[in-house]
Amino acid sequence: EPEVTQTPSHQVTQMGQEVILRCVPISNHLYFYWYRQILGQKVEFLVSFYNNEISEKSEIFDDQFSVERPDGSNFTLKIRSTKLEDSAMYFCASPDGTSGMNEQFFGPGTRLTVL
Amino acid sequence: AQSVAQPEDQVNVAEGNPLTVKCTYSVSGNPYLFWYVQYPNRGLQFLLKYITGDNLVKGSYGFEAEFNKSQTSFHLKKPSALVSDSALYFCAVRDMRGGGADGLTFGKGTHLIIQP
Repeated sequence: EPEVTQTPSHQVTQMGQEVILRCVPISNHLYFYWYRQILGQKVEFLVSFYNNEISEKSEIFDDQFSVERPDGSNFTLKIRSTKLEDSAMYFCASPDGTSGMNEQFFGPGTRLTVL
Repeated sequence: AQSVAQPEDQVNVAEGNPLTVKCTYSVSGNPYLFWYVQYPNRGLQFLLKYITGDNLVKGSYGFEAEFNKSQTSFHLKKPSALVSDSALYFCAVRDMRGGGADGLTFGKGTHLIIQP
């Protein structure tokens, strides 16, 4: 069964530094999403991406965040200047096809720790 | 705005007994409903979904869920619990009116603990 992969599994950074989290979605999927989960809290939607541009974003996704698909396979989330409160698990996800009926397949996540 | 409520932080069940994990939702239109399971240090795994049709949907690992429109609920159930079912369970919703761009809205999760 195809799966979503994410790298790194754990990223430790200093406050104010830039980080890039990487995801390789399932190859024939068209929509891509980023979610985050602060320790002990619920999973929160950050942003969706379709046809090389942002489709929807939540209020969490402010100017410090950006996403891009630099090539045909990778999907990245960049945080320009990390804050302590950015410490969380970050999950990439994609549904099969374009229908909202389809379940999203999640990657294993990247644990970001901001010191 | 859409929302999901999982009223129980933790559910304890003895192995072999039936289990229920509760979920209620709120959306403006008709809902797409999902259950996911998360094991420690792992991503979310899809269990089952409700789109339309039969209110009782069956999913992976013997789980099922019942959609109740009047009560806006989508409780997760299993007739006989296994110790290996112990994990964190998330209910999620999206509005059927939205396109593929809409993210899922998750509940806060319920820890399911199955005691041998």
